[in-house]
Amino acid sequence: KAGVTQTPRYLIKTRGQQVTLSCSPISGHRSVSWYQQTPGQGLQFLFEYFSETQRNKGNFPGRFSGRQFSNSRSEMNVSTLELGDSALYLCASSSTPGHAIEAFFGQGTRLTVV
Amino acid sequence: DAKTTQPPSMDCAEGRAANLPCNHSTISGNEYVYWYRQIHSQGPQYIIHGLKNNETNEMASLIITEDRKSSTLILPHATLRDTAVYYCIVRVASNFGNEKLTFGTGTRLTIIP
Repeated sequence: KAGVTQTPRYLIKTRGQQVTLSCSPISGHRSVSWYQQTPGQGLQFLFEYFSETQRNKGNFPGRFSGRQFSNSRSEMNVSTLELGDSALYLCASSSTPGHAIEAFFGQGTRLTVV
Repeated sequence: DAKTTQPPSMDCAEGRAANLPCNHSTISGNEYVYWYRQIHSQGPQYIIHGLKNNETNEMASLIITEDRKSSTLILPHATLRDTAVYYCIVRVASNFGNEKLTFGTGTRLTIIP
């Protein structure tokens, strides 16, 4: 079956703009999480959605937001972009409730803010 | 979630077993040990997880000490494609999905031809 799909793969934006990234989870997976990866901070958790509800949120400013649709696809939005938002944004999906679930990651969207 | 400590880098000869250690001395009784790896410019890939028993799958083996304060990931016959950053993560198993994974700095494993 198809893996986690993130679009676009690469993006260049200007400071002050906003951006929307998309993530399509593996079919049947209802949990979607977002992570930011930078050379300085490593992989950091942004938020998680399950059945269209945000259930966990990391320590990021309110400029970072997300949502999940009824088909489990998720989008994350970053408003008023800053140079420091340049990063690889990764999305992960996992299946419906069960314990010790493994997460499947997409290839990521590499965002460059200039 | 418990904090983990891993060596920043390791080398291993191709064809040999790669043994990657992880310390998690503050692990709680209900916390699992997970291993992921990230090959350059790709998303992290799940490898294996365990609670207290040793585990083996097609990719690797996980050895957890009896006191659960440390573990070792073993790649039995390392290949060049195993060159990656390996993350050891300790977290409570979730009934609702993957939730938050706290990645540390990991171990950069380089397989030497």
